Amino acid sequence: EAGVAQSPRYKIIEKRQSVAFWCNPISGHATLYWYQQILGQGPKLLIQFQNNGVVDDSQLPKDRFSAERLKGVDSTLKIQPAKLEDSAVYLCASSTNRGLGNEQFFGPGTRLTVL
Amino acid sequence: AQSVTQLGSHVSVSEGALVLLRCNYSSSVPPYLFWYVQYPNQGLQLLLKYTSAATLVKGINGFEAEFKKSETSFHLTKPSAHMSDAAEYFCAVRGFRGNTPLVFGKGTRLSVIA
Repeated sequence: EAGVAQSPRYKIIEKRQSVAFWCNPISGHATLYWYQQILGQGPKLLIQFQNNGVVDDSQLPKDRFSAERLKGVDSTLKIQPAKLEDSAVYLCASSTNRGLGNEQFFGPGTRLTVL
Repeated sequence: AQSVTQLGSHVSVSEGALVLLRCNYSSSVPPYLFWYVQYPNQGLQLLLKYTSAATLVKGINGFEAEFKKSETSFHLTKPSAHMSDAAEYFCAVRGFRGNTPLVFGKGTRLSVIA
């Protein structure tokens, strides 16, 4: 089966500009996650969707970050305006709701550089 | 709250030597524990997971990990390192509900010397 798709793979912008990332989860996966991975650190959850509803966005900087998952499939994550500290890899992951040990499958990530 | 501590940000071993990557967790509920590997410019790939069944878990590429509740540890081992094992390794914890997010450690970079 196809994996989690993300685009673009790389993005370079200047501070105060806006940027958007796209994620297409594995077909049939109801849960979608966006993680931020800053260099030298482990991934940190930004937002979690269950179908097209938000389950957890407690760590999302809502003054500049927004995310949506229309129709419960694809998702976009937007940053406006970007700051230098937003430079990171943004990982999208998806999972089913079946089983207690269900695995999260990760996409290749989008590497954002803010200059 | 849950957290993970990975001891050693960088581990270097010789090819053919034992690999040991350390992970200690903190959790107020019975944890599910995971090890992921990340190769350069790639996403995370699951190596193995502990979900309250057998305490010794075998994963892909010859890796295994042992859940020790008394030590709150879930160390990753491999008897003989290969050059292809060079990567970043992340330990992660989550609760027992199936769709809860993962809490990751800071990662350990494994270098394998020929």
